Amino acid sequence: SQQGEEDPQALSIQEGENATMNCSYKTSINNLQWYRQNSGRGLVHLILIRSNEREKHSGRLRVTLDTSKKSSSLLITASRAADTASYFCATDAGGTSYGKLTFGQGTILTVHP
Amino acid sequence: GAGVSQSPSNKVTEKGKDVELRCDPISGHTALYWYRQSLGQGLEFLIYFQGNSAPDKSGLPSDRFSAERTGGSVSTLTIQRTQQEDSAVYLCASRPGGSDYGYTFGSGTRLTVV
Repeated sequence: SQQGEEDPQALSIQEGENATMNCSYKTSINNLQWYRQNSGRGLVHLILIRSNEREKHSGRLRVTLDTSKKSSSLLITASRAADTASYFCATDAGGTSYGKLTFGQGTILTVHP
Repeated sequence: GAGVSQSPSNKVTEKGKDVELRCDPISGHTALYWYRQSLGQGLEFLIYFQGNSAPDKSGLPSDRFSAERTGGSVSTLTIQRTQQEDSAVYLCASRPGGSDYGYTFGSGTRLTVV
């Protein structure tokens, strides 16, 4: 079963707007990661946030993590048409499962030129 | 190589046939993972290799599925007696061992069972 659940399932915005995607999970984690997938093939790692971190930035990406609410959000600022893709959160529960990721169902982002 | 390489990129097979999917991870990456993704769905964990440790096979859906990793490098996922529900994109990923790292994924093998 999938631990992470993304919200919304689909998001449609105009170029230049910000896009926010949310992820909720059920068990404690070692870290949480976000990935992008174009055209239903290989995923690209975007950013990793550890359980003791609350916010992380990478270029136009901002990720927050609230372990008390078991949730994370991914913000893409000043979106571009090239950001159109599916975005997945994935959790690493650590311990004996260290390094093994559980993926959510994904958010489909469409950015209109 | 520079990335994770998977072959074939596409495979069409008849129901009941066996298939082998290959993954060539990034050199030096000790951890290797297989996932599958059905149309419009998230990723389903299949199996995980870490160095010389026994693989974590907890995600394999049936005994028709098996995988091996030779010499700590190339991995082969074998599906015996394929069924139509095996149709999916099979994704391989690798990462360095040790501290927190993201996965590097291959482009996947799209398997269609007819």
